[in-house]
Amino acid sequence: DAGITQSPRHKVTETGTPVTLRCHQTENHRYMYWYRQDPGHGLRLIHYSYGVKDTDKGEVSDGYSVSRSKTEDFLLTLESATSSQTSVYFCAIAVREGNTIYFGEGSWLTVV
Amino acid sequence: AQSVAQPEDQVNVAEGNPLTVKCTYSVSGNPYLFWYVQYPNRGLQFLLKYITGDNLVKGSYGFEAEFNKSQTSFHLKKPSALVSDSALYFCAAGQTGANNLFFGTGTRLTVIP
Repeated sequence: DAGITQSPRHKVTETGTPVTLRCHQTENHRYMYWYRQDPGHGLRLIHYSYGVKDTDKGEVSDGYSVSRSKTEDFLLTLESATSSQTSVYFCAIAVREGNTIYFGEGSWLTVV
Repeated sequence: AQSVAQPEDQVNVAEGNPLTVKCTYSVSGNPYLFWYVQYPNRGLQFLLKYITGDNLVKGSYGFEAEFNKSQTSFHLKKPSALVSDSALYFCAAGQTGANNLFFGTGTRLTVIP
């Protein structure tokens, strides 16, 4: 158990609405990540954070924004949800760069 | 560009037989290599990693992986498969000094009783 909680775990939303997914960790790890998992693509990095207010883009960041105002929370926002953003979203943490990444249980998002 | 390839979408093996799940990588410099397992509707669970040192890495649940620098491979192995090993397996690679891992597309392992 990596001490990661994702919420909501399941959500159905309509096209064009904003959606925020929350990741909460209990162990004050510096690095936090948001990935999406899609069949045939494996996991792809959306955004990551290396400290409070320090974030950077991953390979599929278009249409997503993130915020980290506290060490323990990393929020992923879909500014205007589209059907192509229907996916499973995983939050992950790492103690330091190059170290093992540990994953949360996932958030299933369906955009209709 | 960094990338990870898992050439087999599906691997079937009989219970008790040895299993191999293949992975090749393309990473600049010295790679960090990982294997994760995912059960249905769950997150990815860490199995093992290679950072440096012995090319044969032992991990959880009797799994091991062999790092081969010349072939840029990191195949996952287990001497005797269990039905409970049936799951989706992901190989991942990172680069020294980088903050991200690149994942393969996954291999679904089915162990047949």
